Formats: sequence, structure tokens, C-alpha cells
Amino acid sequence: EVQLVESGGGLVKPGGSLRLSCAASGFIFGTYSMNWVRQAPGKGLEWVSSISSNSHYIYYANSVKGRFTISRDNAENSLFLQINGLRAEDTALYYCARGGTFYPNDYWGQGTLVTVSS
Amino acid sequence: DIQMTQSPSTLSASVGDRVTITCRASQSISSWLAWYQQKPGKAPKLLIYKASNLQKGVPSRFSGSGSGTEFTLTISSLQSDDIATYYCQKYNTYSQTFGQGTKLEIK
Repeated sequence: EVQLVESGGGLVKPGGSLRLSCAASGFIFGTYSMNWVRQAPGKGLEWVSSISSNSHYIYYANSVKGRFTISRDNAENSLFLQINGLRAEDTALYYCARGGTFYPNDYWGQGTLVTVSS
Repeated sequence: DIQMTQSPSTLSASVGDRVTITCRASQSISSWLAWYQQKPGKAPKLLIYKASNLQKGVPSRFSGSGSGTEFTLTISSLQSDDIATYYCQKYNTYSQTFGQGTKLEIK
């Protein structure tokens, strides 16, 4: 059974940092592209970042470019999102999802909540 | 960047009704479109991929059609369990833009 479990969210002051993790199981993690998608409270879905299976291709939404860094450890079946310079508008539930270019997000985690507030 | 626009934003229908949601892309995305269902407090669930392919385990009352810039999600006979917000998403490039969502309510 495919499982994605996010962790690392929390309450952070503006300007602070967090490292989100996503533990994958039930599939050959190293053969799939992965994504981070976020959802602000009461709002829609926003794609944040994507990473190819071998980490050669990495992309970010304009809203997070320069502040967020996506990475993965295929040996540990884990996906990460380092988020720096947090702003109030980054407050959201952050989902990891399996998918990429020409491949839909077929599995999603339950999300980890990031709250940015002073 | 390609924009994805869904209509309507909110839809009220009765059990048993045929329901249609539209998604328009600002440029052609061929058939690289997915539909997701999201219930309150839950992660999105993939319903349809490549515009018209039903994801395994999804009830056959859901169907998708379209290509290029105009797409539709149809529920042939609305059930109470279908109450959710539905999102379209393009995935033909690295930028996986979502539509703004359509909230489906029971009349």
C-alpha cells in the first residue's frame, strides 16, 4: 500500500525556517517524481515545488522561489522541503504528492500544517 | 504561465442530478488534465487523469472529457457522498497549475 506521511510543520515567527519531511512507503520511491502542494486555510490548492526521480530537475512556484528548497533521499525514501524566510502568506497545509510532468498526483499524504505568526 | 479557470465556483444540485463542471486552460494542454475530489479535512483524491481516464477504484458515475483548452467533469447521478470541492489541474509541464475549485453542495 502506498503511503506518504508528512511531518515537520509547526508555528513559526515571520522570517523563521522549517524543514518539512515526507516519508514514503509501498512503492519504489526512487523511480517517481514528487511534489509539494499547499493549501492555505479555506483556499484552493497551490503547487509549490517538484523534483524529478534522480533530483536532476527541480522546479518552484514563483511565490516561493529563492526561499524554499526541495530535496530527496532515495536511499531513505524521503522527500524534504526546506522553507526559509517564512511569511504570513506561507501559512498553509503542506501536502507531498507522487506525480510530475505527464504524471498526475495519484497519491497524497495527509499534510503538515505550517503557521506563520508573531 | 498557463491559467486554469473552473466554472462554476459553487454548484448546488439534488441527489440523482447530472452534474457538469468545466475547466478552461488559457493555452492548449492537449489532454494533460486531471480532476481531483477533496472532502473537508481530507487530502485531494485523484478521480480522472489524462482528461478522460478513470482512476482505479473511482465510481463509474464520474467521467471526464475534452482536450486542448476545454474540459468537463461529469457526475452522471449525484450521490450524497459526492459532496466535496473539485479541482482540475494541468500537468503537461513542471508548473502544475490547479483551477480555483468548484464546491458542490446538495440542494
